[in-house]
Formats: sequence, C-alpha cells, structure tokens
Amino acid sequence: AQTVTQSQPEMSVQEAETVTLSCTYDTSESNYYLFWYKQPPSRQMILVIRQEAYKQQNATENRFSVNFQKAAKSFSLKISDSQLGDTAMYFCAFMKSYSGAGSYQLTFGKGTKLSVIP
Amino acid sequence: DTEVTQTPKHLVMGMTNKKSLKCEQHMGHRAMYWYKQKAKKPPELMFVYSYEKLSINESVPSRFSPECPNSSLLNLHLHALQPEDSALYLCASSGMGIRRGDQPQHFGDGTRLSIL
Repeated sequence: AQTVTQSQPEMSVQEAETVTLSCTYDTSESNYYLFWYKQPPSRQMILVIRQEAYKQQNATENRFSVNFQKAAKSFSLKISDSQLGDTAMYFCAFMKSYSGAGSYQLTFGKGTKLSVIP
Repeated sequence: DTEVTQTPKHLVMGMTNKKSLKCEQHMGHRAMYWYKQKAKKPPELMFVYSYEKLSINESVPSRFSPECPNSSLLNLHLHALQPEDSALYLCASSGMGIRRGDQPQHFGDGTRLSIL
C-alpha cells in the first residue's frame, strides 16, 4: 500500500514571498504519478501541478514548481510570488500507473493549510 | 466555473429522510468517483464507476447507494443516515486513457451535508 505524508499541518507566508510545502511518500511501485491539489475555502479541489515518476525534469506551472527527488521519495511544492488567492489547503496525492478495476485511485496526504498574509 | 457540477450545494436532512446527491460532467470522462470529506481532513474514496459500472466500493455502509444512469451522471442516494455522516461529499471524474497521469481527476464543488 502507498502512504503520503505531509509533515506541516499549517504554514504561513507573506504576500509576494516564496514558500515550500513538503511531501514524502512510500511505495514499492517503480512508475507512478504525483499531484498537488489545492482546496480553497470555496471547497473545490483544484489540480495545481503533476509529475510523472519516470520524468527526471521537475514540473512547473507558472508560479508553482516541484522538487521531485525519486530516490528520497520526496515531492515538495514551491510557490513563488505568493498571492492572497493562494490561501488554501494543499493536498499531495499519489497514483499508481496501473491499478485494478480500471480506476485511477488517488492516495492523499493529510494536507497543509497555507495562509498568505497581506 | 467548475466542469463537474454537483447539486445541491447544501443539504440538511433528518435521519429518517431519503435524499439524493447529483453529479454531472460533460467532459466525456468514463470514470466517476464519490468522496467523503470531513473538516480539515483529506477526501476519502467511497465509490468508483468505470464505464458506468461500479468498480470500487470502499466498504461503504448500505445507507449510501450509488447509481450511474449514464456516462455523464452520477447519483448518491441517501437513506437513514447517521449524524457522523455529516460531511462534504465530493464528486470527481477522469478520463481513462493509457497515460494515466494525463487523466487527472476533476472535482466538483461538493455538497455540504448535515444530518440532524
């Protein structure tokens, strides 16, 4: 079974500053996908960024980037130029490349609550 | 605007009531999911439908009954719920292509359910 650990229950950052959210995972799979989802108070889970394990290059999406360390099983999220709209719960999630029953199950971490301070 | 639409957004019901939650998507996704989320916790998977067939039931009590009438709709029928069932219920959908990482789940805004 896979496990995903987010060791920072809460974090805060000043507007326009940079913050890094940590995520570690445990798996015996060799190929898999990792995701960061954001859930603002509006409730909707929004995909922020994804990484395929066999790709060594770290994914980037505008102000969001990841530091993927496969050997260390680490997948941290860096948010640059933080904005007030980045205030949300952030969930790290794992998905196997192959899963029975034709599904795409996600294993979530417990989440990190990020507050951006004006 | 979300591409996965859930109704109603809020629902208050008594323990003897029967109600249904609805979820609709028009992205052509063939996998649909129900999650339960308690406050400050990650979503917990309840059910997965693949090609309109139930493929995963995560040992959910029978007072929750899912239904997938067609490829765009997903319902969750509720009956005789308990106070501990109060939570946010999220629906999600995804494609089912070969490159799984390119088929991330898209979530709706959820239904906030309160059991009196």
